Amino acid sequence: DAGVIQSPRHEVTEMGQEVTLRCKPISGHNSLFWYRQTMMRGLELLIYFNNNVPIDDSGMPEDRFSAKMPNASFSTLKIQPSEPRDSAVYFCASRAGQGALGANVLTFGAGSRLTVL
Amino acid sequence: TQLLEQSPQFLSIQEGENLTVYCNSSSVFSSLQWYRQEPGEGPVLLVTVVTGGEVKKLKRLTFQFGDARKDSSLHITAAQPGDTGLYLCAGETSYDKVIFGPGTSLSVIP
Repeated sequence: DAGVIQSPRHEVTEMGQEVTLRCKPISGHNSLFWYRQTMMRGLELLIYFNNNVPIDDSGMPEDRFSAKMPNASFSTLKIQPSEPRDSAVYFCASRAGQGALGANVLTFGAGSRLTVL
Repeated sequence: TQLLEQSPQFLSIQEGENLTVYCNSSSVFSSLQWYRQEPGEGPVLLVTVVTGGEVKKLKRLTFQFGDARKDSSLHITAAQPGDTGLYLCAGETSYDKVIFGPGTSLSVIP
């Protein structure tokens, strides 16, 4: 099992550019979460999907952020246009089951470190 | 809005000492999880507690879920340098949403 795979691991871009972060969840997991981590704000939930359907996107900062999950094995988080305050580590996590007892373990990817100059 | 608070924010102790970190909320969670994160990596699950008053032990780590399912504690006995890391508590809401506390950064000095 390769775990949750995120790409790129590091991205440096200039303000105004489009950024696309990618995530491949663990096969068979039906929930996927996107988080953002900064020193100031900790680990913030941006959006999560159950069975490829977005359930709660209330954590998405603003319209510049969008997330899609076209199938069970792939998700993207896009920022357009990017701003310096978007600099953070973005984590994707997947989970088997939906809140069933013992099935609520999140497995995280290694993260994508984004720097917007 | 459901929020989790953790204390202390930072903790630096000598090897062999005991410590307790706390996770508190005004909200009830269906379960509460503890994760440990090392630099450059994603958080890794340590334990999940589900029942109010539940106590779980993982070697030198003891986890407790409050009776009202609003708070939790993590106690480490005889801390070792390998315990160094960021400890995060996370609560699962009734809508399967998982939110995290700000974390406790632990440094164990040899």
